[in-house]
Amino acid sequence: NAGVMQNPRHLVRRRGQEARLRCSPMKGHSHVYWYRQLPEEGLKFMVYLQKENIIDESGMPKERFSAEFPKEGPSILRIQQVVRGDSAAYFCASSYYGGGSSYEQYFGPGTRLTVT
Amino acid sequence: GENVEQHPSTLSVQEGDSAVIKCTYSDSASNYFPWYKQELGKRPQLIIDIRSNVGEKKDQRIAVTLNKTAKHFSLHITETQPEDSAVYFCAQKGGSYIPTFGRGTSLIVHP
Repeated sequence: NAGVMQNPRHLVRRRGQEARLRCSPMKGHSHVYWYRQLPEEGLKFMVYLQKENIIDESGMPKERFSAEFPKEGPSILRIQQVVRGDSAAYFCASSYYGGGSSYEQYFGPGTRLTVT
Repeated sequence: GENVEQHPSTLSVQEGDSAVIKCTYSDSASNYFPWYKQELGKRPQLIIDIRSNVGEKKDQRIAVTLNKTAKHFSLHITETQPEDSAVYFCAQKGGSYIPTFGRGTSLIVHP
């Protein structure tokens, strides 16, 4: 059973370009969370998705950022017109059931975005 | 809103000593408390968790205790080894779908 997969592992973009980050959850998991981590800081929640639904995007900036989790394929976090402040590690995590019950989250290896 | 305070931010111990990291939370509805270990450049990995219906859970050299009345929970690592050196994050999850993470504790184990 493969774990959570993310690609690319490293991404370099120039200011103004688009960054597209992908996350494939663990087999059998239908809940995906995206987090952002700055160096020497904690994990900041961005968005929580189920298949074809955004459940909570309260941690995601309203402009330039968007996320999706289609019926088929990976979840995608898209950052348009990147700026230097977007440089960070972006982790996704998946869980079997998110709701009111508290199931474990398993993290992917992360995508390290560098904006030059 | 939900908040998790984690202390200390840095913890330095000698190999073989014990290490304790504490977290406090504010949401009375919190019912799940995981701990993650993150080595440099790696993903956070779940190392132990506890649910609100128990007060303590142990797994070899790692234990977690929960005091729901005082709203705090702690990670205990005994007989520390250099490979325990990492950043440790506590988290809590309650009625909300969204887990809240502490800011992390950098544990350094000196050989």
